[in-house]
Amino acid sequence: QKEVEQNSGPLSVPEGAIASLNCTYSDRGSQSFFWYRQYSGKSPELIMFIYSNGDKEDGRFTAQLNKASQYVSLLIRDSQPSDSATYLCAVPSSGTYKYIFGTGTRLKVLA
Amino acid sequence: DADVTQTPRNRITKTGKRIMLECSQTKGHDRMYWYRQDPGLGLRLIYYSFDVKDINKGEISDGYSVSRQAQAKFSLSLESAIPNQTALYFCATSEIGGDYNEQFFGPGTRLTVL
Repeated sequence: QKEVEQNSGPLSVPEGAIASLNCTYSDRGSQSFFWYRQYSGKSPELIMFIYSNGDKEDGRFTAQLNKASQYVSLLIRDSQPSDSATYLCAVPSSGTYKYIFGTGTRLKVLA
Repeated sequence: DADVTQTPRNRITKTGKRIMLECSQTKGHDRMYWYRQDPGLGLRLIYYSFDVKDINKGEISDGYSVSRQAQAKFSLSLESAIPNQTALYFCATSEIGGDYNEQFFGPGTRLTVL
């Protein structure tokens, strides 16, 4: 069973701090990795995707990928209360175009 | 207008009833997916379709069936609803081709089976 694992949290950080969210995956053939943000009762929306080892930055968000260690992380700089949500890691299962989602990490940014 | 729509948005039904959840999209995507979400369990794939003639079971297809009536429409049916099918259901679409295609989600249907 190909899996994607995340710590369910909640991860609490003070406003202005860096939030670090982690995801590990088991399918070594996976080539691309997605981070979605989901507010309570709402649908997931894409934050970042990454497919090369290293860092990818977009505004306050940085995705980090290490294929050798099979983990991908999301850093949120200058965290705001509006960042409080559940963050889902998604990995397309190699060769199938099915997306395997982690259970999500709930982030709480304290004002 | 929303690119991926789901109807109904909320539904309360009784055990044993047949229920259909509908999904429509205007994005022109070939791939469509149905997920359910339960607290603590994340998104789990029920069925997916890559075109009107291609329907595939996901990890939790038992008790569900689907119909791809057209490229833009993908319906999920519960033939005889049971209480443990109470969940939030999402439809999603993605483009065909390449490995880096994000999924676009509908607003969700909250289903309660009494």
